Amino acid sequence: AQKVTQAQTEISVVEKEDVTLDCVYETRDTTYYLFWYKQPPSGELVFLIRRNSFDEQNEISGRYSWNFQKSTSSFNFTITASQVVDSAVYFCALSEARGATNKLIFGTGTLLAVQP
Amino acid sequence: DAGVIQSPRHEVTEMGQEVTLRCKPISGHNSLFWYRQTMMRGLELLIYFNNNVPIDDSGMPEDRFSAKMPNASFSTLKIQPSEPRDSAVYFCASRESGQLAFFGQGTRLTVV
Repeated sequence: AQKVTQAQTEISVVEKEDVTLDCVYETRDTTYYLFWYKQPPSGELVFLIRRNSFDEQNEISGRYSWNFQKSTSSFNFTITASQVVDSAVYFCALSEARGATNKLIFGTGTLLAVQP
Repeated sequence: DAGVIQSPRHEVTEMGQEVTLRCKPISGHNSLFWYRQTMMRGLELLIYFNNNVPIDDSGMPEDRFSAKMPNASFSTLKIQPSEPRDSAVYFCASRESGQLAFFGQGTRLTVV
């Protein structure tokens, strides 16, 4: 069965600190996708990144970076030099890549509070 | 494209009443998902459809919940009768196979 675990329920940091959000997943599939979504206080879900299971290259986008390690089934998300606007709930998600079984399974989310 | 459209944005209803949440997916997307978000359980998948056919409804909490997708451009999630513990934000999302899932803005349901 698929499962996504975000063990950190809440994280509080001071502006300009780096912060890493952990995500551990379980799947029996060899082909799958991993995602991170951001949910700011306004409530909408904002897509951040999608990673194919065959692509273990780390990715950097501005202050955001992602570390995908298949050996440990982890897909961690780091924000460098955090800002108050980064305060949000962040969700990690997993999806099988097979045709009909297309569901997106979310972790419970990590609430990040960035203090000024 | 206007994105995934959900209505209403907010719903307040009395316990025992029927509630219907609506979703219009992005045109061309073949999968549609209904999620419920609560403080205790985060985002839970309730049901999803592929090509208008329900594929997995194992997340539907109980018989009071039902979902339909009569055509590719419309889906409903109905709760009858509603209970206070159903209070949550309900998200609809759509995607093409293997592609990004796009979410609606959610319906905040309060059952009093």
